[in-house]
Amino acid sequence: GAGVSQSPSNKVTEKGKDVELRCDPISGHTALYWYRQRLGQGLEFLIYFQGNSAPDKSGLPSDRFSAERTGESVSTLTIQRTQQEDSAVYLCASSLGRLAGDETQYFGPGTRLLVL
Amino acid sequence: AQSVTQPDIHITVSEGASLELRCNYSYGATPYLFWYVQSPGQGLQLLLKYFSGDTLVQGIKGFEAEFKRSQSSFNLRKPSVHWSDAAEYFCAVGALNTGNQFYFGTGTSLTVIP
Repeated sequence: GAGVSQSPSNKVTEKGKDVELRCDPISGHTALYWYRQRLGQGLEFLIYFQGNSAPDKSGLPSDRFSAERTGESVSTLTIQRTQQEDSAVYLCASSLGRLAGDETQYFGPGTRLLVL
Repeated sequence: AQSVTQPDIHITVSEGASLELRCNYSYGATPYLFWYVQSPGQGLQLLLKYFSGDTLVQGIKGFEAEFKRSQSSFNLRKPSVHWSDAAEYFCAVGALNTGNQFYFGTGTSLTVIP
């Protein structure tokens, strides 16, 4: 596809369940980012991948959060034992990356997560 | 510490009036600067970016921004606002040589009145 895609677009889950969010970056983009946006707030950086390695995991809020990426393609963000405070929009972005000299991030439409 | 500040949480302007959204940053390296717009229920769309060169950059939808190093600012402007410009605007800063950490401001919500 032409842009970053994310699935599911919406997810409702019960407290304590695990959820998996998926991101398909733009083809050829080596860098991939996950952000969280709580209602009415700005973007909170979660994690960044260059290729399939994650040099910066500093934003992950707790050990319930993890992410992985296969090569330079799909990434999944997993939240274990979800809590109500995890309710937010989870945004994925990709960029050509540092080696290409263009850090412009292009965003997907997000996954709206609601934890009941 | 690196940070981005958007001092105005909410701005209301009349359609046809000029607009300026403020963005100030604190960054140790040479910054790359971005403005994104988020319409209700939509993802973030890149309006414009500054990497180097001319400090006045033109973007989509008639927006422009000026990088002022001495003031650590990257304010977004539009000479005549349209009702469709009502949205949330985010300023972001990043740099190539300090990793790929991007910092976003908390956003400015723009309301356009007829």
